[in-house]
Amino acid sequence: GQQLNQSPQSMFIQEGEDVSMNCTSSSIFNTWLWYKQDPGEGPVLLIALYKAGELTSNGRLTAQFGITRKDSFLNISASIPSDVGIYFCAGQFRNAGNMLTFGGGTRLMVKP
Amino acid sequence: DGGITQSPKYLFRKEGQNVTLSCEQNLNHDAMYWYRQDPGQGLRLIYYSQIVNDFQKGDIAEGYSVSREKKESFPLTVTSAQKNPTAFYLCASTFWGGGQPQHFGDGTRLSIL
Repeated sequence: GQQLNQSPQSMFIQEGEDVSMNCTSSSIFNTWLWYKQDPGEGPVLLIALYKAGELTSNGRLTAQFGITRKDSFLNISASIPSDVGIYFCAGQFRNAGNMLTFGGGTRLMVKP
Repeated sequence: DGGITQSPKYLFRKEGQNVTLSCEQNLNHDAMYWYRQDPGQGLRLIYYSQIVNDFQKGDIAEGYSVSREKKESFPLTVTSAQKNPTAFYLCASTFWGGGQPQHFGDGTRLSIL
């Protein structure tokens, strides 16, 4: 199946720094989702984006749905140690049973 | 509490053995999904089910089987035909249609003895 292009694959940053990651696709999606996965756990939904151009925040997290509906970015401001984990983007086709296409993930490591 | 429960957390399989992973949800979700995750990789879809008594193959269904006899339950059997079963298995569910996001259980890690 298709995968989204997610970058960077990994990031090692200092606590307090801002982080940015993005996903691109050759397909148009109705919805973009961002999940975070802690080691040995299932992904947890962070932000859901439903409209092209939509900019949504959840605490220190901000995500945008690209105007072409083929891309999305996630920003984390003022990173803290508990931000460590793997972040996945996922595109969703509304008329295809809410099926998801996942990016390969961005592994974030934060140095205290 | 409402949620998706996967069990067991860890499972070991002997050669030639079938094993079954449990997934139960009390969210009244219509659709349920099984994914496989290998180290450092994204999620790949194994099977999904829109309604009771119906299920469809995903991208990597070979060597796996499922059933959907109840709305709340979607067990996954890893058969002996799956030659490389060591992975982290994730179950998800959502309401069918309307662009609702999937929500995930905490996963089962399957290893070969």
